[in-house]
Amino acid sequence: DAGVTQSPTHLIKTRGQQVTLRCSPKSGHDTVSWYQQALGQGPQFIFQYYEEEERQRGNFPDRFSGHQFPNYSSELNVNALLLGDSALYLCASSPTGTGNTEAFFGQGTRLTVV
Amino acid sequence: AQKVTQAQTEISVVEKEDVTLDCVYETRDTTYYLFWYKQPPSGELVFLIRRNSFDEQNEISGRYSWNFQKSTSSFNFTITASQVVDSAVYFCALSEAEDAGNNRKLIWGLGTSLAVNP
Repeated sequence: DAGVTQSPTHLIKTRGQQVTLRCSPKSGHDTVSWYQQALGQGPQFIFQYYEEEERQRGNFPDRFSGHQFPNYSSELNVNALLLGDSALYLCASSPTGTGNTEAFFGQGTRLTVV
Repeated sequence: AQKVTQAQTEISVVEKEDVTLDCVYETRDTTYYLFWYKQPPSGELVFLIRRNSFDEQNEISGRYSWNFQKSTSSFNFTITASQVVDSAVYFCALSEAEDAGNNRKLIWGLGTSLAVNP
């Protein structure tokens, strides 16, 4: 059984461009959360999706948006990229209502904005 | 507001030494969860433990043990007889209990980088 898979693993974009990151949750998991982890920092919560809706959102600007598909997979979109958006983007999946007991993380997408 | 503090930025030990990673948290909630994750150089966060705020029993899993003390808002992690493979960044995290069935976001500390030298 595959765990959480994210694509791509690495990405280089130019300032001002747009990027889409993808996440496939672990089988049986219906909740997907996205986190941004800058170098040397702890992860910061971006948002969470459940039933194709954004249920919670962290302190991130509207340039960060997402989507969840009927098969529970999810996308994170970032518009008008800034140099400060360079980070490791982590996707976590879990079954809803479990208090993150079974939250599994993907290996992340390392985004570099130049 | 919720907050997690990991005061130790980096720790370096020699193999077979015991090492304790500190975690102090702040929350106004009465029900919450505390977590420890391991992040090896590959980047993936590996779940180690979740502790419910109502359960203050210490837990031991092999060489790993956790000491949860609500009186001091601490949730410390000890590795006994450390090994080179334990080298990684360790994160402590906090979340509220589920809200209407939704899992709440995780609030993370800055992490402690552990280097175990042979």
